[in-house]
Amino acid sequence: GIQVEQSPPDLILQEGANSTLRCNFSDSVNNLQWFHQNPWGQLINLFYIPSGTKQNGRLSATTVATERYSLLYISSSQTTDSGVYFCAVGSSGGYQKVTFGIGTKLQVIP
Amino acid sequence: NAGVTQTPKFRILKIGQSMTLQCTQDMNHNYMYWYRQDPGMGLKLIYYSVGAGITDKGEVPNGYNVSRSTTEDFPLRLELAAPSQTSVYFCAIRGPLGNEQFFGPGTRLTVL
Repeated sequence: GIQVEQSPPDLILQEGANSTLRCNFSDSVNNLQWFHQNPWGQLINLFYIPSGTKQNGRLSATTVATERYSLLYISSSQTTDSGVYFCAVGSSGGYQKVTFGIGTKLQVIP
Repeated sequence: NAGVTQTPKFRILKIGQSMTLQCTQDMNHNYMYWYRQDPGMGLKLIYYSVGAGITDKGEVPNGYNVSRSTTEDFPLRLELAAPSQTSVYFCAIRGPLGNEQFFGPGTRLTVL
């Protein structure tokens, strides 16, 4: 099956700093999502981005499907950005099997 | 959480007990999924359903059973709880516009 690697595994930022999280995947995908799991465990959809670039406020994401990676940019980080960021990819198939990476744990300190 | 509810929020079971985790969605989506998340890990697919009456195994189905008698409900059954089933369980639906998945709030289960 598809392998998903996320880097870095852990990241500590000073409030206001910028960061880039990376997701590499081993095969062609037709589905890629970024999630934020907050400290209470809730999974929040950030982006559905199988290709191209999207922006939502301080967050943006880019997926280069031909090179099998996606990047999540966080600008002007805030303490509420803390948590774990997951990349999840899916390949073609009727039920859309989705494979998760093990995440990047982000801590933003004041 | 895109109209996905899960009950209970927390549960402690003794080894060998059984229980059902409930998942309900109010948006008439056909595709529903059960995942488990172990500490420090991503989510792994247990079972999925593509519509009422149709279910199939995911990556880690052993020790679990599911049913889908209605579009709205997709319960997950643990028959003989084991410590290895201590995890957080998430139910998800596939959104109407394509491949995006939306998750419920999760059930934290501990088996002692």
